[in-house]
Amino acid sequence: GQQLNQSPQSMFIQEGEDVSMNCTSSSIFNTWLWYKQEPGEGPVLLIALYKAGELTSNGRLTAQFGITRKDSFLNISASIPSDVGIYFCAGQSRGAGNMLTFGGGTRLMVKP
Amino acid sequence: NAGVTQTPKFQVLKTGQSMTLQCAQDMNHNSMYWYRQDPGMGLRLIYYSASEGTTDKGEVPNGYNVSRLNKREFSLRLESAAPSQTSVYFCASSEAGTWSRQPQHFGDGTRLSIL
Repeated sequence: GQQLNQSPQSMFIQEGEDVSMNCTSSSIFNTWLWYKQEPGEGPVLLIALYKAGELTSNGRLTAQFGITRKDSFLNISASIPSDVGIYFCAGQSRGAGNMLTFGGGTRLMVKP
Repeated sequence: NAGVTQTPKFQVLKTGQSMTLQCAQDMNHNSMYWYRQDPGMGLRLIYYSASEGTTDKGEVPNGYNVSRLNKREFSLRLESAAPSQTSVYFCASSEAGTWSRQPQHFGDGTRLSIL
């Protein structure tokens, strides 16, 4: 099946720092989604991207659909303690029956 | 404003036992999903339902059955539990159209241990 590689696997940063993480695939995707999961809860959808080169923001979060259509990036500006969690990317290729493929996640820890 | 509700939240089973995980959504969504999440891995789709009365296998359907009882409810059944099915199970839902096959809302999960 399709594979998504997320990096880094984990990050430990100081409050106020900016954060960057990415997701790469060997396959072309037509949709990229980013989710955040906090301990003991289900994932929450953050941003959806549908077009190569698209840049979309949600508050302090900004995600980009890579122009090669094989990658996507998520940036968090001025991190705060409540940003702690696991961030998952998910990609979907075109075609009937194609479902989302999830990456393994980036665990973010923020030191106050 | 419940969203997606899963029951139970925790369960311990012995190998060979059966059980049904329940899921209900109150957003009038057409699509519903069952995923499993294992340590260090992303979510893997078990089954998907595009609408009431229809179900499709996902990436890891073996050992599971599902039932889309009505538009609100989508249950997952383990007929004969195996230790490899120890996992956290998430139900999700989404609207039709653009959001079909893209889960928008997740429940809080059922943590299942099989001894």
